[in-house]
Amino acid sequence: EAGVVQSPRYKIIEKKQPVAFWCNPISGHNTLYWYRQNLGQGPELLIRYENEEAVDDSQLPKDRFSAERLKGVDSTLKIQPAELGDSAVYLCASSQPGYEKLFFGSGTQLSVL
Amino acid sequence: AQSVAQPEDQVNVAEGNPLTVKCTYSVSGNPYLFWYVQYPNRGLQFLLKYITGDNLVKGSYGFEAEFNKSQTSFHLKKPSALVSDSALYFCAVRANQAGTALIFGKGTTLSVSS
Repeated sequence: EAGVVQSPRYKIIEKKQPVAFWCNPISGHNTLYWYRQNLGQGPELLIRYENEEAVDDSQLPKDRFSAERLKGVDSTLKIQPAELGDSAVYLCASSQPGYEKLFFGSGTQLSVL
Repeated sequence: AQSVAQPEDQVNVAEGNPLTVKCTYSVSGNPYLFWYVQYPNRGLQFLLKYITGDNLVKGSYGFEAEFNKSQTSFHLKKPSALVSDSALYFCAVRANQAGTALIFGKGTTLSVSS
């Protein structure tokens, strides 16, 4: 069984440019998470989906960040415009309903110059 | 508010010796506790969890963790360290309430020398 797939693996952009990250969760996992991991820190939740509904987006900077999970499967996280402080690793994770174990993708390492 | 503290940025241990990676937490009500490991250039991998029951939980790769409610701790342990255990370890907690998020500590780098 394939794990959580994220792309791209690395992304380098200039500030003020837009960027998008894609995530394909494990088949059958209804819950999808986007986390941001800054250097030397633990992951911080940005948004959590139950199927196609965003049930927790309290930590998502909505002025520049947006996310969608059409059809309750794949998800895209977008930043527009990117700022220098957005440089981080963006992690996607998924889990089964009512199951506490999260499965993480390898992440997208974003560098904003 | 929920929080997790990992007081050590790095733990160094010789191969074959026992290891402990410390974690303390703060949460309202009963906690759900987890340990994840991150190898270089790879995503986080689940090691073990405590939900309820026996305070000593066993997980992957020979790791175990002990839940101590009075000390609000959930330290990760292994009787005999391997060089291949060298990685970044994260403790995480969430409250036993529907809809609460999983909160991660800042991580502890474990370095096992041969």
